[in-house]
Amino acid sequence: RKEVEQDPGPFNVPEGATVAFNCTYSNSASQSFFWYRQDCRKEPKLLMSVYSSGNEDGRFTAQLNRASQYISLLIRDSKLSDSATYLCVVNTNAGKSTFGDGTTLTVKP
Amino acid sequence: GAGVSQTPSNKVTEKGKYVELRCDPISGHTALYWYRQSLGQGPEFLIYFQGTGAADDSGLPNDRFFAVRPEGSVSTLKIQRTERGDSAVYLCASSRGQGAAFFGQGTRLTVV
Repeated sequence: RKEVEQDPGPFNVPEGATVAFNCTYSNSASQSFFWYRQDCRKEPKLLMSVYSSGNEDGRFTAQLNRASQYISLLIRDSKLSDSATYLCVVNTNAGKSTFGDGTTLTVKP
Repeated sequence: GAGVSQTPSNKVTEKGKYVELRCDPISGHTALYWYRQSLGQGPEFLIYFQGTGAADDSGLPNDRFFAVRPEGSVSTLKIQRTERGDSAVYLCASSRGQGAAFFGQGTRLTVV
């Protein structure tokens, strides 16, 4: 079993839709959590950190459930430009950073 | 520089050769990570430096892979006796301590 697991998708949604991705992690010692997006043949770019209390950045909301060891990303009012692969990242307190394999989102007109 | 810089951006080498990949992190970032990414997969952790020392090298696949960061800034990933299976994009990232990491554009390594 992988340390960080994501549904690979693809998720195909129309513009304006709301879409949610989940990510589960196996290491209970994990301390910090992030969502990155990666466009085709580009490097991953930080989308947002994930805090225990949940956090929102515009159309994006991230939540963490430590008891169940999963994090989520909600995208509201999807735009064509949201089409990308979304990567879940989990860090231990020792600094090791583990990525999921990503969830692919395609937003269609 | 403003961001993480990796050189070369592309490298084609023959099977059995030695290669070095360079990463210049964001100034002031103490943590530096190396990953490799194959098509359709997420970045695979290789090694993590905190300052000059390798804090975690558990992701290096075998003893052909080695990385150094002698002055706590620039890092070099070294691969000996390259194999076709080493072909991938090698990504470097840096961060302030435990914070979010910022990536370079990667080195695409092709072993022929």
